[in-house]
Amino acid sequence: DAGITQSPRYKITETGRQVTLMCHQTWSHSYMFWYRQDLGHGLRLIYYSAAADITDKGEVPDGYVVSRSKTENFPLTLESATRSQTSVYFCASSESPLDRGSSYEQYFGPGTRLTVT
Amino acid sequence: AQTVTQSQPEMSVQEAETVTLSCTYDTSESDYYLFWYKQPPSRQMILVIRQEAYKQQNATENRFSVNFQKAAKSFSLKISDSQLGDAAMYFCAYRSAYWGGSNYKLTFGKGTLLTVNP
Repeated sequence: DAGITQSPRYKITETGRQVTLMCHQTWSHSYMFWYRQDLGHGLRLIYYSAAADITDKGEVPDGYVVSRSKTENFPLTLESATRSQTSVYFCASSESPLDRGSSYEQYFGPGTRLTVT
Repeated sequence: AQTVTQSQPEMSVQEAETVTLSCTYDTSESDYYLFWYKQPPSRQMILVIRQEAYKQQNATENRFSVNFQKAAKSFSLKISDSQLGDAAMYFCAYRSAYWGGSNYKLTFGKGTLLTVNP
């Protein structure tokens, strides 16, 4: 499927377990982002990646790990899930501003609702 | 760091009427982009409209238009002829136009929940 996809769409896990959220985009966008959405906070950036093998922290990175070995994939791992990580997680991608004609728009995946019990 | 403030947690409008959602932002940068995103119950984030700070002309997209006041750092969204399908959470977002690092991230407001009454 063309576009940006996330899996799973829903996940329930227990405190202390490791869980990985997957993100895949088909546009070969340079930039990819992970946000979390919590009531009263809007969306906040967890990690971002400017290209394969280049990642950096956002506003709320604690407890999360990312990797980007291929341009199209950007998985987010919760190493030891906590209840405070119960949230809706969005992956997004965008062209590099260096790309001719870049629209600067970020395209969002459908989100993953994660519940940590 | 930039901040985005949406002072109206909830708004309601009658079908076919006009509603304006408010957004203010704080930045020391002179070049940036502002966006309004719509999030319906499906959770999908949908771009509604975009404004480049260097453009004085307000952006419009069909029934959606913005009032961009750069000096006042204000960026309101006007929805004309409101439809039931406009009911959603609306987020205002800021993105730096400068290169490098996390400048390409979006900084979001907390959102305004719009209800459309038939």
